Amino acid sequence: EDKVVQSPLSLVVHEGDTVTLNCSYEVTNFRSLLWYKQEKKAPTFLFMLTSSGIEKKSGRLSSILDKKELSSILNITATQTGDSAIYLCAVNYGGSQGNLIFGKGTKLSVKP
Amino acid sequence: ETGVTQTPRHLVMGMTNKKSLKCEQHLGHNAMYWYKQSAKKPLELMFVYNFKEQTENNSVPSRFSPECPNSSHLFLHLHTLQPEDSALYLCASSQGLAGGNRGAQYFGPGTRLLVL
Repeated sequence: EDKVVQSPLSLVVHEGDTVTLNCSYEVTNFRSLLWYKQEKKAPTFLFMLTSSGIEKKSGRLSSILDKKELSSILNITATQTGDSAIYLCAVNYGGSQGNLIFGKGTKLSVKP
Repeated sequence: ETGVTQTPRHLVMGMTNKKSLKCEQHLGHNAMYWYKQSAKKPLELMFVYNFKEQTENNSVPSRFSPECPNSSHLFLHLHTLQPEDSALYLCASSQGLAGGNRGAQYFGPGTRLLVL
C-alpha cells in the first residue's frame, strides 16, 4: 500500500531553535515530493522536490530529497512563533495522471 | 480577489439537507481538486478535474457530487450526508497534471462542514 509517513507528529521548540522535520514514503512510480505549511486553514505550498540531493531554500526554510532513502527533510533555522503550523508532506506518484498522497503532518509549536 | 476562494466558509446542515460548496480559482489554472480533511487524518483526495473533465474519483460516496462547469469553477453538491462527513473540505488548483506541475497545488481556505 502506498504511504507517506511524517515524524515527529508534533514538536515544541523555543524561538531561535533549529528544527528538522522528516518525511518518508513508499510509492510506485515516484514523481515528486512536496512540502506544505498549514496554519489555520489552507495549506500553503513551500517546496517541490524531484531530484535527489539538491537542496531547495527559501529564507530560513530548506528541504532536500534522498531518493535512495525514500525520504526528505524540512529544516527551519532560527525558528519564530510565526513558524507554528502543521507541516504537510505529500508525494506525487503514479501513471500518466499521477496522484498525490499526503502524510498526517507534523504539528510544530514555537514558544516565545 | 486573487488565488483560490471557497464559499461558504462554514456550513451546518442536517442529514436530509441539500447544499453546495463552491470553489473559484483566479490563477488561470486548468486542474481543480476537492480534498477532505478530517481530524487526525491525512488530507484525502476526493475528485480531480482537468480542463473540466473528471479524471479521478477516489471511491467517494455518491452523496458527494462534483460539478465543474469551466476551468475556473468547481462545485461539490452535498445530499443526505452523515455526521462522519463533518470535516474541512478544501479546494485546490494547479496549472496542469503532467510533468510535475500537478504538485504545485494552490489551496483555498476551505469550508468547515458540520453535519448534524
